[in-house]
Amino acid sequence: EAGVAQSPRYKIIEKRQSVAFWCNPISGHATLYWYQQILGQGPKLLIQFQNNGVVDDSQLPKDRFSAERLKGVDSTLKIQPAKLEDSAVYLCASSLAGLIYEQYFGPGTRLTVT
Amino acid sequence: AQKVTQAQTEISVVEKEDVTLDCVYETRDTTYYLFWYKQPPSGELVFLIRRNSFDEQNEISGRYSWNFQKSTSSFNFTITASQVVDSAVYFCALPTSGTYKYIFGTGTRLKVLA
Repeated sequence: EAGVAQSPRYKIIEKRQSVAFWCNPISGHATLYWYQQILGQGPKLLIQFQNNGVVDDSQLPKDRFSAERLKGVDSTLKIQPAKLEDSAVYLCASSLAGLIYEQYFGPGTRLTVT
Repeated sequence: AQKVTQAQTEISVVEKEDVTLDCVYETRDTTYYLFWYKQPPSGELVFLIRRNSFDEQNEISGRYSWNFQKSTSSFNFTITASQVVDSAVYFCALPTSGTYKYIFGTGTRLKVLA
């Protein structure tokens, strides 16, 4: 079974530029998550999708971050414009259906904003 | 408040020693789940175990064991006869019902020295 795919693996941009990350979850997983993990900290949930609907995006900085999962499968997370404090690893995860199920994580995208 | 505390920031042990990683949680939910994940140096979080609050039996899987005690709100993780490959950051996590939050602890970095 293929795991969660993410691209790119690394990205370096200057502040005020925009960037997009892509995630393809495990086939059949209804729930998709985007996390931000700053160095030395635990992952912080940014947004959770159930199929193509948003379940929770309360921790997503909506003035600069956006995410979509149009067909209920793969998803994109965008930052526009980026700030220095956005430097982090962005993790995508999927689970069968909802928070009570274990999550399977992708390798992450390491973003550096200079 | 919903909270996960991993007070041990970093632990170093010599190979073959036993080591216990602590996790203390706070939740208002009467039914809840707790998780442990491992993040090796490669960066990809790996699911280890899920425990339902109804089940306080200890769980053993090979060299890994988990001790869940509702009375002390703890869900501790023990590695027996540690190996260098166990070196990683270990996270305890608590999903919260109703608010759709998934809270990770700050993690414990385990270094197993040869």
